[in-house]
Amino acid sequence: QSALTQPASVSGSPGQSITISCSGTSNDVGSYNLVSWYQQHPGKAPKLMIYEVSKRPSGVSNRFSGSKSGNTASLTISGVQAEDEADYYCCSYAGSNTCVVFGGGTKLTVL
Amino acid sequence: QVQLQESGPGLVQPSQTLSLTCTVSGGSISSGGYYWSWIRQHPGQGLEWIGYIYYSGSTCYNPSLKNRVTISVDTSENQFSLKLSSVTAADTAVYYCARGGTVATPNYWGQGTLVTVSS
Repeated sequence: QSALTQPASVSGSPGQSITISCSGTSNDVGSYNLVSWYQQHPGKAPKLMIYEVSKRPSGVSNRFSGSKSGNTASLTISGVQAEDEADYYCCSYAGSNTCVVFGGGTKLTVL
Repeated sequence: QVQLQESGPGLVQPSQTLSLTCTVSGGSISSGGYYWSWIRQHPGQGLEWIGYIYYSGSTCYNPSLKNRVTISVDTSENQFSLKLSSVTAADTAVYYCARGGTVATPNYWGQGTLVTVSS
Protein backbone atom coordinates (compact mmCIF):
# COMPACT_ATOMS: atom_id res chain seq x y z
CA GLN A 1 0.00 0.00 0.00
CA SER A 2 1.44 3.34 -1.10
CA ALA A 3 1.91 6.18 1.32
CA LEU A 4 0.09 8.66 -0.93
CA THR A 5 -3.34 7.86 -2.34
CA GLN A 6 -4.17 8.44 -5.99
CA PRO A 7 -7.14 7.29 -8.06
CA ALA A 8 -6.25 4.19 -10.03
CA SER A 9 -7.51 5.67 -13.27
CA VAL A 10 -8.90 8.80 -14.86
CA SER A 11 -10.04 9.45 -18.39
CA GLY A 12 -10.88 12.37 -20.62
CA SER A 13 -11.58 13.26 -24.19
CA PRO A 14 -9.11 15.31 -26.20
CA GLY A 15 -9.37 18.98 -25.28
CA GLN A 16 -10.91 18.35 -21.89
CA SER A 17 -9.24 19.14 -18.59
CA ILE A 18 -8.55 16.42 -16.08
CA THR A 19 -7.34 16.53 -12.49
CA ILE A 20 -5.50 13.82 -10.58
CA SER A 21 -5.54 14.00 -6.81
CA CYS A 22 -2.84 12.88 -4.41
CA SER A 23 -3.93 12.48 -0.82
CA GLY A 24 -1.33 12.42 1.91
CA THR A 25 -1.10 13.38 5.56
CA SER A 26 0.24 16.14 7.75
CA ASN A 27 3.51 14.20 7.81
CA ASP A 28 4.17 14.58 4.12
CA VAL A 29 2.06 16.57 1.63
CA GLY A 30 0.59 18.75 4.34
CA SER A 31 3.92 19.75 5.87
CA TYR A 32 6.19 20.38 2.92
CA ASN A 33 5.94 22.20 -0.38
CA LEU A 34 8.02 19.42 -1.87
CA VAL A 35 5.43 17.63 -3.97
CA SER A 36 6.34 16.54 -7.45
CA TRP A 37 4.56 14.77 -10.30
CA TYR A 38 5.94 12.29 -12.80
CA GLN A 39 4.67 11.03 -16.13
CA GLN A 40 5.63 7.53 -17.21
CA HIS A 41 4.97 5.96 -20.58
CA PRO A 42 5.18 2.16 -20.88
CA GLY A 43 8.73 0.87 -20.81
CA LYS A 44 10.17 4.33 -20.18
CA ALA A 45 11.72 6.08 -17.21
CA PRO A 46 9.52 8.56 -15.36
CA LYS A 47 9.66 12.20 -16.45
CA LEU A 48 9.39 15.10 -14.03
CA MET A 49 6.38 17.25 -14.89
CA ILE A 50 5.86 19.37 -11.77
CA TYR A 51 8.09 20.06 -8.75
CA GLU A 52 7.70 21.99 -5.52
CA VAL A 53 3.90 21.72 -5.86
CA SER A 54 3.44 23.99 -8.86
CA LYS A 55 6.70 24.64 -10.70
CA ARG A 56 7.24 23.35 -14.20
CA PRO A 57 10.65 22.24 -15.45
CA SER A 58 11.90 23.77 -18.64
CA GLY A 59 10.36 22.06 -21.64
CA VAL A 60 7.20 20.84 -19.92
CA SER A 61 4.00 22.08 -21.52
CA ASN A 62 2.09 24.78 -19.67
CA ARG A 63 -0.96 22.55 -20.03
CA PHE A 64 0.36 20.84 -16.91
CA SER A 65 -0.17 22.57 -13.58
CA GLY A 66 0.01 21.61 -9.92
CA SER A 67 -1.54 22.80 -6.71
CA LYS A 68 -1.96 21.82 -3.09
CA SER A 69 -4.60 22.30 -0.43
CA GLY A 70 -4.01 20.92 3.02
CA ASN A 71 -2.93 17.30 2.76
CA THR A 72 -3.97 16.89 -0.88
CA ALA A 73 -2.02 17.81 -3.98
CA SER A 74 -3.43 17.90 -7.48
CA LEU A 75 -2.17 17.71 -11.04
CA THR A 76 -4.30 19.30 -13.72
CA ILE A 77 -3.84 18.73 -17.42
CA SER A 78 -5.65 21.31 -19.52
CA GLY A 79 -6.62 20.40 -23.05
CA VAL A 80 -5.60 16.77 -22.69
CA GLN A 81 -3.99 15.25 -25.78
CA ALA A 82 -3.46 11.69 -26.95
CA GLU A 83 0.24 11.93 -26.09
CA ASP A 84 -0.66 12.60 -22.46
CA GLU A 85 -1.95 9.04 -22.08
CA ALA A 86 0.41 7.57 -19.48
CA ASP A 87 0.78 6.72 -15.82
CA TYR A 88 1.17 9.64 -13.40
CA TYR A 89 2.78 9.47 -9.97
CA CYS A 90 2.87 12.01 -7.19
CA CYS A 91 5.81 12.18 -4.82
CA SER A 92 6.40 14.03 -1.58
CA TYR A 93 9.13 14.60 0.95
CA ALA A 94 8.04 13.03 4.23
CA GLY A 95 10.63 14.12 6.75
CA SER A 96 14.00 12.84 7.84
CA ASN A 97 12.78 9.41 8.97
CA THR A 98 10.59 8.39 6.06
CA CYS A 99 12.43 10.47 3.45
CA VAL A 100 10.31 10.32 0.30
CA VAL A 101 7.01 8.65 -0.58
CA PHE A 102 5.25 7.98 -3.85
CA GLY A 103 1.61 7.63 -4.71
CA GLY A 104 0.34 4.41 -6.21
CA GLY A 105 -0.01 5.93 -9.65
CA THR A 106 -2.92 6.95 -11.87
CA LYS A 107 -3.47 5.69 -15.38
CA LEU A 108 -4.71 8.42 -17.67
CA THR A 109 -6.72 7.23 -20.65
CA VAL A 110 -7.46 9.65 -23.46
CA LEU A 111 -10.73 8.58 -25.00
CA GLN B 1 23.31 17.23 -20.48
CA VAL B 2 23.57 14.93 -17.50
CA GLN B 3 23.11 11.24 -18.23
CA LEU B 4 22.86 8.33 -15.82
CA GLN B 5 23.34 4.65 -16.60
CA GLU B 6 22.65 1.71 -14.31
CA SER B 7 24.78 -1.40 -14.49
CA GLY B 8 24.99 -4.67 -12.62
CA PRO B 9 23.84 -8.30 -12.66
CA GLY B 10 20.41 -8.94 -14.09
CA LEU B 11 20.01 -12.11 -12.02
CA VAL B 12 20.69 -12.45 -8.31
CA GLN B 13 20.34 -15.54 -6.15
CA PRO B 14 17.96 -15.43 -3.18
CA SER B 15 19.63 -14.43 0.09
CA GLN B 16 22.51 -12.81 -1.80
CA THR B 17 23.32 -9.11 -2.13
CA LEU B 18 22.07 -7.09 -5.07
CA SER B 19 24.70 -4.60 -6.23
CA LEU B 20 24.09 -1.90 -8.81
CA THR B 21 26.19 1.01 -9.99
CA CYS B 22 25.03 4.24 -11.58
CA THR B 23 27.57 5.96 -13.81
CA VAL B 24 27.10 9.69 -14.24
CA SER B 25 28.24 11.55 -17.34
CA GLY B 26 27.92 15.18 -18.32
CA GLY B 27 28.46 16.41 -14.78
CA SER B 28 30.53 15.75 -11.69
CA ILE B 29 28.94 13.72 -8.91
CA SER B 30 30.98 15.73 -6.42
CA SER B 31 29.49 19.05 -7.48
CA GLY B 32 27.30 20.39 -4.74
CA GLY B 33 23.59 20.47 -4.16
CA TYR B 34 22.32 17.26 -5.65
CA TYR B 35 20.48 14.24 -4.33
CA TRP B 36 21.54 10.93 -5.89
CA SER B 37 18.71 8.43 -5.60
CA TRP B 38 17.67 4.86 -6.23
CA ILE B 39 14.06 4.05 -7.05
CA ARG B 40 12.54 0.74 -8.08
CA GLN B 41 9.42 -0.48 -9.81
CA HIS B 42 8.08 -3.97 -9.36
CA PRO B 43 6.70 -5.51 -12.56
CA GLY B 44 3.41 -3.88 -13.46
CA GLN B 45 3.38 -1.81 -10.28
CA GLY B 46 4.15 1.68 -9.05
CA LEU B 47 7.34 3.45 -8.06
CA GLU B 48 9.04 2.79 -4.73
CA TRP B 49 11.67 5.08 -3.22
CA ILE B 50 14.70 3.15 -2.00
CA GLY B 51 16.86 6.01 -0.76
CA TYR B 52 19.23 8.81 -1.60
CA ILE B 53 22.66 10.12 -0.80
CA TYR B 54 23.20 13.85 -0.69
CA TYR B 55 26.38 15.35 -2.08
CA SER B 56 27.50 15.97 1.52
CA GLY B 57 27.36 12.22 2.15
CA SER B 58 24.22 12.14 4.23
CA THR B 59 21.75 9.40 3.39
CA CYS B 60 18.08 8.66 3.83
CA TYR B 61 16.56 5.24 3.28
CA ASN B 62 13.05 3.86 2.93
CA PRO B 63 12.22 2.60 6.43
CA SER B 64 10.91 -0.67 5.01
CA LEU B 65 14.30 -1.37 3.40
CA LYS B 66 16.59 0.48 5.79
CA ASN B 67 18.09 -2.60 7.41
CA ARG B 68 19.17 -4.02 4.04
CA VAL B 69 20.17 -0.96 2.00
CA THR B 70 23.41 0.93 1.55
CA ILE B 71 23.94 3.77 -0.93
CA SER B 72 27.44 5.10 -1.45
CA VAL B 73 29.35 7.40 -3.79
CA ASP B 74 32.64 6.87 -5.60
CA THR B 75 33.74 10.34 -6.70
CA SER B 76 36.86 9.02 -8.43
CA GLU B 77 34.70 7.00 -10.82
CA ASN B 78 31.82 9.51 -10.91
CA GLN B 79 29.49 6.76 -9.78
CA PHE B 80 27.13 5.94 -6.97
CA SER B 81 26.02 2.51 -5.90
CA LEU B 82 23.22 0.52 -4.34
CA LYS B 83 23.62 -2.57 -2.22
CA LEU B 84 20.55 -4.49 -1.08
CA SER B 85 21.24 -7.50 1.08
CA SER B 86 19.31 -10.71 1.75
CA VAL B 87 17.20 -10.40 -1.37
CA THR B 88 14.09 -12.42 -2.07
CA ALA B 89 11.80 -12.73 -5.07
CA ALA B 90 9.98 -9.67 -3.75
CA ASP B 91 13.02 -7.60 -4.70
CA THR B 92 12.60 -8.41 -8.38
CA ALA B 93 12.07 -5.04 -10.04
CA VAL B 94 13.36 -2.46 -12.47
CA TYR B 95 15.87 -0.34 -10.59
CA TYR B 96 16.40 3.30 -11.55
CA CYS B 97 19.10 5.71 -10.50
CA ALA B 98 18.31 9.41 -10.60
CA ARG B 99 19.57 12.88 -9.74
CA GLY B 100 17.56 15.70 -8.24
CA GLY B 101 18.22 19.29 -7.31
CA THR B 102 15.94 19.07 -4.33
CA VAL B 103 14.77 16.16 -2.26
CA ALA B 104 11.82 14.30 -3.82
CA THR B 105 12.53 15.85 -7.23
CA PRO B 106 14.73 13.59 -9.36
CA ASN B 107 14.75 15.15 -12.80
CA TYR B 108 17.46 13.10 -14.49
CA TRP B 109 16.89 9.35 -14.61
CA GLY B 110 18.71 6.35 -15.93
CA GLN B 111 16.89 4.05 -18.31
CA GLY B 112 16.40 1.46 -15.59
CA THR B 113 17.71 -2.05 -15.24
CA LEU B 114 15.69 -5.19 -14.52
CA VAL B 115 16.97 -7.29 -11.67
CA THR B 116 15.44 -10.71 -11.16
CA VAL B 117 15.91 -12.61 -7.93
CA SER B 118 15.76 -16.32 -8.66
CA SER B 119 17.73 -19.49 -8.18
